[in-house]
Parts: sequence; structure tokens; C-alpha cells
Amino acid sequence: QSVLTQPPSASGTPGQRVTISCSGRTSNIGSNTVNWFQHLPGTAPTLLIYPDNQWRSGVPDRFSGSKSGTSASLAISGLQSEDEGDYYCAAWDDSLNGWVFGGGTKLTVL
Amino acid sequence: VQLVESGGGLVQPGGSLRLSCAASGFTFSDYWMSWVRQTPGKGLEWVANIKEDGSEKFYVDSMKGRFTISRDNAKNLLYLHMHSLRADDTALYYCAREGAGPALDYWGQGTLVTVSS
Repeated sequence: QSVLTQPPSASGTPGQRVTISCSGRTSNIGSNTVNWFQHLPGTAPTLLIYPDNQWRSGVPDRFSGSKSGTSASLAISGLQSEDEGDYYCAAWDDSLNGWVFGGGTKLTVL
Repeated sequence: VQLVESGGGLVQPGGSLRLSCAASGFTFSDYWMSWVRQTPGKGLEWVANIKEDGSEKFYVDSMKGRFTISRDNAKNLLYLHMHSLRADDTALYYCAREGAGPALDYWGQGTLVTVSS
């Protein structure tokens, strides 16, 4: 049971816009920045978005993040086949004194 | 920035293992560092982290007392000492740098630990 809640799966066709949600608590998302990671098979996780909605140098601007209260979301526009993989949200939790992750969302490009 | 984990392998239940993470391309002693694992068929789970100078350490509750994180800033090495290993500790273990944000901004490729008799 993950501390942060993500949908287990998402899908879209090439060119579409897909969003992935991440729900938490005041002690994590409500108080700290949200990280979004892309985890492709056989590779190390890659940080996409931080803090909260600032994308990272080298990451396509098709990826964007937002946060409101204790929830966050990752949006991927202009979906491409190479975007297929697992996506995780994470944040530091002030009550647990540790990083907490969502269970991951498997993105399928149809 | 490069992070390279090593030390994984097959170990019997109840056994011990020490993982290492060699850091390069940045000033290692300026950053908190974390260990994160991915168990088979499951998601990512944070294990522990350590402050720049090693003076503070945090662990996920389920691993407190069995796992110890440490670092050698002179050698740019991060360690995870694992004891009393169980089958459910079988996982791919990653080290990650904690950058500003905070953010787990760089990850290694991981080292596989298999706990089995």
C-alpha cells in the first residue's frame, strides 16, 4: 500500500494528451515539492518534473506538472510511442521523515 | 553525474550484504544521498538517506535496525549494509542523489539483490 495514490494504468493514442494523478496528504504533497519520474524498462528512473511544475533541462516540454493542495498531476501532451513506460510521483513526508512514492502508473500508447 | 552501484548478488535468508555506490561528476560531499529499491513486479520504495556529512540518517520503518546507510566522502562512496535479509528484500537497489527541491535528481542503474535458499 503506497502512501501516495496513483492510478495503476493510463493509455492514449499518439498525439493525445494524457494526465496522471497523484494524491497524498498535508505532510507530503501538501508541504513539499512533488517529483515525477519516468521509468522505462531496463533503465534507471529519470526525474521529469521538479519542484512541482518546473521541468528539467533535457526533458521535452511535452511533460508538465501541477499541484493543488494535497494532489498533483503529470500531463503529457503530444503522446509518443517512446513515452510508454511506468511513471511515479514522490515527495518527502514530514511526518514519516522519509521519501514516499506512489504505486506507479503504467502508461500504454495504443 | 554518474552513480554506479555494486555489491548485489545471491544471499541466503538471514544473511548479510553490503552495497556500494560510486559517485562521480559532482561534489559528493555537498549532497544528501538516498537508497531506493524496486521489488519484483512492484513499484519504487525508498529505503534510507544520509546527510552530506553523515551526521543525520533516516530509514523507512520496515528496515530500521536491519539496514545501515553510511558514506565515505574521501572516496566518494555511499554504502548500504543489509543484515537479517529476508526473501521480501529481493529487489533492484538504486542509489540516488538528492538535489535542490528536494529532488531525487540522478539515479544509478541499480544492483540486484536476491535473497533465496
